[in-house]
Amino acid sequence: EAGVAQSPRYKIIEKRQSVAFWCNPISGHATLYWYQQILGQGPKLLIQFQNNGVVDDSQLPKDRFSAERLKGVDSTLKIQPAKLEDSAVYLCASSGTNPYLYGYTFGSGTRLTVV
Amino acid sequence: QQQVKQSPQSLIVQKGGISIINCAYENTAFDYFPWYQQFPGKGPALLIAIRPDVSEKKEGRFTISFNKSAKQFSLHIMDSQPGDSATYFCAANYDDMRFGAGTRLTVKP
Repeated sequence: EAGVAQSPRYKIIEKRQSVAFWCNPISGHATLYWYQQILGQGPKLLIQFQNNGVVDDSQLPKDRFSAERLKGVDSTLKIQPAKLEDSAVYLCASSGTNPYLYGYTFGSGTRLTVV
Repeated sequence: QQQVKQSPQSLIVQKGGISIINCAYENTAFDYFPWYQQFPGKGPALLIAIRPDVSEKKEGRFTISFNKSAKQFSLHIMDSQPGDSATYFCAANYDDMRFGAGTRLTVKP
């Protein structure tokens, strides 16, 4: 079974620039999550999709962050404009119909550095 | 957002020793408590998980102990090996997964 694919692996941008991250979940997984992991901290949920609908985006800074999941498969997370405090690893995860059995499967993440 | 408190922040154990990581939660609605293992440059990977209707779950060298009344749970790694050196996160789930801050485990040979 292929894992969760994310790209790019690394990105360095200047503050106020924009950036986009891409995620391809495990085939058949209806639920997709974007997490932000700041160095030395646990992952923090940004947004959760069920198929192509948003379930929870209460922690997403909507003035600068946006996310979409077209056709209920791939997802894109965008930051515009970026701030220094956005430097973090952005993790995408997906889960099947019973996350209690198999948990979430995470991708390797995109490490963003804002300078 | 953090509703799961994890300790210690870092832990150094000799090879063959027991590693113990503790977590406490606040929300009694949580109904699933996984532990994730993360190696540098990789995403977290599910290690072991427990539901609140059992007090202990063991898988190989890894054991979760769960105390519902105290709202605490812990991970025990028996016979710790250098390959276990990683960051470990506890988590708690209801509608979504909330993670602890992580414990960096170093197992010295």
